[in-house]
Amino acid sequence: AQKVTQAQTEISVVEKEDVTLDCVYETRDTTYYLFWYKQPPSGELVFLIRRNSFDEQNEISGRYSWNFQKSTSSFNFTITASQVVDSAVYFCALSDNFNKFYFGSGTKLNVKP
Amino acid sequence: ETGVTQSPTHLIKTRGQQVTLRCSSQSGHNTVSWYQQALGQGPQFIFQYYREEENGRGNFPPRFSGLQFPNYSSELNVNALELDDSALYLCASSSFQGYNSPLHFGNGTRLTVT
Repeated sequence: AQKVTQAQTEISVVEKEDVTLDCVYETRDTTYYLFWYKQPPSGELVFLIRRNSFDEQNEISGRYSWNFQKSTSSFNFTITASQVVDSAVYFCALSDNFNKFYFGSGTKLNVKP
Repeated sequence: ETGVTQSPTHLIKTRGQQVTLRCSSQSGHNTVSWYQQALGQGPQFIFQYYREEENGRGNFPPRFSGLQFPNYSSELNVNALELDDSALYLCASSSFQGYNSPLHFGNGTRLTVT
């Protein structure tokens, strides 16, 4: 069975601090994809990144970076120099062969000025 | 490029009633999925439609049903509404079947059942 766990329910930081959102997944599939989505108060889930199970290279996009470690089944997300606009709920997700997504329960990030 | 649009944005229904939610997929996308997001939870997969046929279903009872039309738009129907059906219903489209397609979501329909 597929499962995604985001143990951090809510995190509060002050602007310009770095913050890491944790994601741990479970799957028996050898090929799978991992995703991160951002959900601002408007409700729309915004796609941030996709990573396949064969690519363990870390990725950096501006202030965002992702660390995928297959050995620990983790796919963590770091925001460097956080900004108030980063405040949102962030979801980690795993997709199966039928593009069915399994989402974690989300981490609410509060960035205070 | 037109994104995923959902209607209505908010809806209030009474227990036992029926409801229809609508979704227009992003241009170029032929697969539509529906997710239910309860307050404070992550989205839960309801079902997926590809080429107008249901292709995958989550752990939801048969009173949750759907349609996909030739233009790839979709409807979610829920019969005999229960209080626990109160949630944000998200529609997502993707360009093709396969586990490497990011889902593109609409803003959702907030359903309240009283």
